[in-house]
Amino acid sequence: GQSLEQPSEVTAVEGAIVQINCTYQTSGFYGLSWYQQHDGGAPTFLSYNALDGLEETGRFSSFLSRSDSYGYLLLQELQMKDSASYFCAVPGFHGSSNTGKLIFGQGTTLQVKP
Amino acid sequence: NAGVTQTPKFQVLKTGQSMTLQCAQDMNHNSMYWYRQDPGMGLRLIYYSASEGTTDKGEVPNGYNVSRLNKREFSLRLESAAPSQTSVYFCASSQSSLSSYEQYFGPGTRLTVT
Repeated sequence: GQSLEQPSEVTAVEGAIVQINCTYQTSGFYGLSWYQQHDGGAPTFLSYNALDGLEETGRFSSFLSRSDSYGYLLLQELQMKDSASYFCAVPGFHGSSNTGKLIFGQGTTLQVKP
Repeated sequence: NAGVTQTPKFQVLKTGQSMTLQCAQDMNHNSMYWYRQDPGMGLRLIYYSASEGTTDKGEVPNGYNVSRLNKREFSLRLESAAPSQTSVYFCASSQSSLSSYEQYFGPGTRLTVT
């Protein structure tokens, strides 16, 4: 089966940098996705890492280490509007086949304080 | 482009009543998904449709049925609602099952079963 672990809550101050970690256990692996969800809203896609390394998109960056089954989302220059839940997710596998389903972690609630 | 739309936005049902949640996407995506999200929890897949004419069970399919009416529309039916089905329901779509890592979500339906 597949499972993902991420911290339940993270708190940081405006202007700071915060890292949200995600470790995964899967029978097969294509890559790691990140989604943002503001309270009461729809999840929105942030990034996808298929290869090892850091990918940067503006203030947000995402990192993947396939050998460590680990990734993180890095948020820089935090703003109040970044307060939200962040989910990591991996495509599901059955044996060696991609099931076409996405498996989500439980989510990390980020609280940005002034 | 409206993206993914869902109706209704809110619904209150009595135990035993039935209803259908509607979802439509205008991005010409092949794959569509139904999730439920309980308070403080991640997203759990109920059913998904890799392409028009196919559907498959997800993690929590009991008590639900789906219909992929055409490429655009994917509906979720509760035949006999139970209080345990009180949740927020999200529909999502992706270009294909191989790109399930990048999904686009609708605004959600908030369902309460009394």
